[in-house]
Amino acid sequence: EVQLVESGGGLVQPGGSLRLSCAASGFTVSSNYMSWVRQAPGKGLEWVSVIYSGGSTYYADSVKGRFTISRDNSKNTLYLQMNSLRAEDTAVYYCARDSVGSYRHVVTAILYYYYYMDVWGKGTTVTVSS
Amino acid sequence: AIQMTQSPSSLSASVGDRVTITCRASQGIRNDLGWYQQKPGKAPKLLIYAASSLQSGVPSRFSGSGSGTDFTLTISSLQPEDFATYYCLQDYNYPLRTFGQGTKVEIK
Repeated sequence: EVQLVESGGGLVQPGGSLRLSCAASGFTVSSNYMSWVRQAPGKGLEWVSVIYSGGSTYYADSVKGRFTISRDNSKNTLYLQMNSLRAEDTAVYYCARDSVGSYRHVVTAILYYYYYMDVWGKGTTVTVSS
Repeated sequence: AIQMTQSPSSLSASVGDRVTITCRASQGIRNDLGWYQQKPGKAPKLLIYAASSLQSGVPSRFSGSGSGTDFTLTISSLQPEDFATYYCLQDYNYPLRTFGQGTKVEIK
């Protein structure tokens, strides 16, 4: 069964650090693009970060320089290291698998790619408060 | 950054109703758009990708359409299990994706 299970959330003081884990089963993390998405209490969804299968990483401006996404291939696990935490980082954090498809434009014949998050974990809660 | 605007923010509907949710992009995004359903306390679930492709296992009463800047998610006959919040997500600017603010579908 394809599954993602997050862990590592908790209560942390402003300025503190936390590392979230996302253990995968049924597929290989290193062969996929993997993302973190968060949701503040009562708010909408916000994309946070992605790691490509090749290892490239990208971040939302709101976390750039503070958060680091990584993976451990031997453990088939994704991580999110969160430093310099702020109250506005309080949220449920979800990990998700990004799948990729492609289509060729009927007129120009240009090949385009599309992406979608087809497997999600149940989330882990991070609370930043003194 | 590409902004995604959903409308309405919430709606009330009855079982059996046809429901339409709209998502508008601040610039053209081809058909690089997905729709996700989220129930309270649960993770989002993928419904539609590439604007109109139905994810495996998703009931056929869900459909998506649109291209460029204007997109629509339609539920042809609302079922009790469809009461949830729906989000659009653009991947035109991948990996820098943006969600719409969400549309909450409530029971009338």
